[in-house]
Order: sequence, then C-alpha cells, then structure tokens
Amino acid sequence: NAGVTQTPKFQVLKTGQSMTLQCAQDMNHEYMSWYRQDPGMGLRLIHYSVGAGITDQGEVPNGYNVSRSTTEDFPLRLLSAAPSQTSVYFCASSQGLGRGLEASNQPQHFGDGTRLSIL
Amino acid sequence: AQSVTQLDSHVSVSEGTPVLLRCNYSSSYSPSLFWYVQHPNKGLQLLLKYTSAATLVKGINGFEAEFKKSETSFHLTKPSAHMSDAAEYFCVVSDYGGYQKVTFGIGTKLQVIP
Repeated sequence: NAGVTQTPKFQVLKTGQSMTLQCAQDMNHEYMSWYRQDPGMGLRLIHYSVGAGITDQGEVPNGYNVSRSTTEDFPLRLLSAAPSQTSVYFCASSQGLGRGLEASNQPQHFGDGTRLSIL
Repeated sequence: AQSVTQLDSHVSVSEGTPVLLRCNYSSSYSPSLFWYVQHPNKGLQLLLKYTSAATLVKGINGFEAEFKKSETSFHLTKPSAHMSDAAEYFCVVSDYGGYQKVTFGIGTKLQVIP
C-alpha cells in the first residue's frame, strides 16, 4: 500500500527558478489537495481538486499552479520561486467528496512531504 | 465560516501521566472533527474522527476525544503518556458545504519527559 507518494523529499532552489512537486495516490480518491506548513501557522490550503479536470484555489494560491489530468496525479508547479515559498509542502487525498455530510466526514491521507528551500 | 483554536501551542507531560490537548471550534453547520498526529519529518496520520454517531470517540494508540456541542470543544485525551506520543497534534474541522472544506488548527507540540 503506497498511499500518497510525494517526490522529491527535499529540494533547494534559487530565486526565480521553477519546479514541479509531484504527488500520486493509488487509492482511487477523487479529492486531492496541496498544503503548505509553516511554523505557528498549521497547514494552509494552496489548491485542491475534486476530480480529474477540476481544480480550484485554496487559501494561499498565489505563485502556484496545479492541474489534474488523471485521478492519480496532482502536481504542484512553482512558477518563479521566491524565498517566501520556503516551506514544507504536503499533498493529501480523500474519497467520498463533492456533496453532503458524507463528503465532509472523510479523513485525508497525507504524503510525507516535500521540504523546499529557496535561496 | 468555520474556525479551529488549539488552546496550547506546547504541552509537556511526564511519561505515564495523563495527556490533555485542547481544541475549540466554530462552524455554521454540524461539523466533522478530526485529530491528526505528525511525527518529525512525516506526514499527518489520522488519530480519530467525530461524525455525529457518538460523542466519545476512540482512536488509535489509546487516544480518545469527546465532542461537547455546548462548549464547542473537542479535546484529545490519553490516560497515560508514552515516549512515542511525542509529536505534533492537529485539530481539524470539516464543514458541510458542498465541496469538502477543511480548516486546520495551528498544532500542539506534545513533549513527553522520561
């Protein structure tokens, strides 16, 4: 059971560089999301997707792009890296989404994170 | 609108003593509530969840939480702390709002002293 797999685990970038953080899940979950974790701020939602071809912005979307061409994959792209984007990034997935109470009570499954430093 | 407040950023207990991690929430609907644990350099792992079936929820590793609607609280407890419980704990509220809307607390770091 791989669950949610994130690559790379660590990355150092220079300001202005671009890169893609990869996320894949093998649980056939419809809902996927990207969070960033910063000290004292918990997890903040960057972007999320409720199914292939459908994405939407979360709380802190600026500077990031996403796409969802398949159910399994949900990559996060940094367009032009800035020091403020130094953070730990987590991808998560869950099932039973979309509408109603059943959607809201599904727990999320998290990857182990990508630790990103931007110099 | 929904929100979560974890009342303590750090909690320190001695091994073998009880653990109490406090969480208050606000929600426009009847929410689902979760506790997750994060060990160093790892992702978040579900400890337990409340979804209106029972107010006292039992989770993994001996943790439990009680939903108190009148106090809008969902505190996490464990009768006896173990060294392996040292980690960061997140209280999470998920609202009924069409698509899943999830709000995380800022986390409580639990230190267990031998």
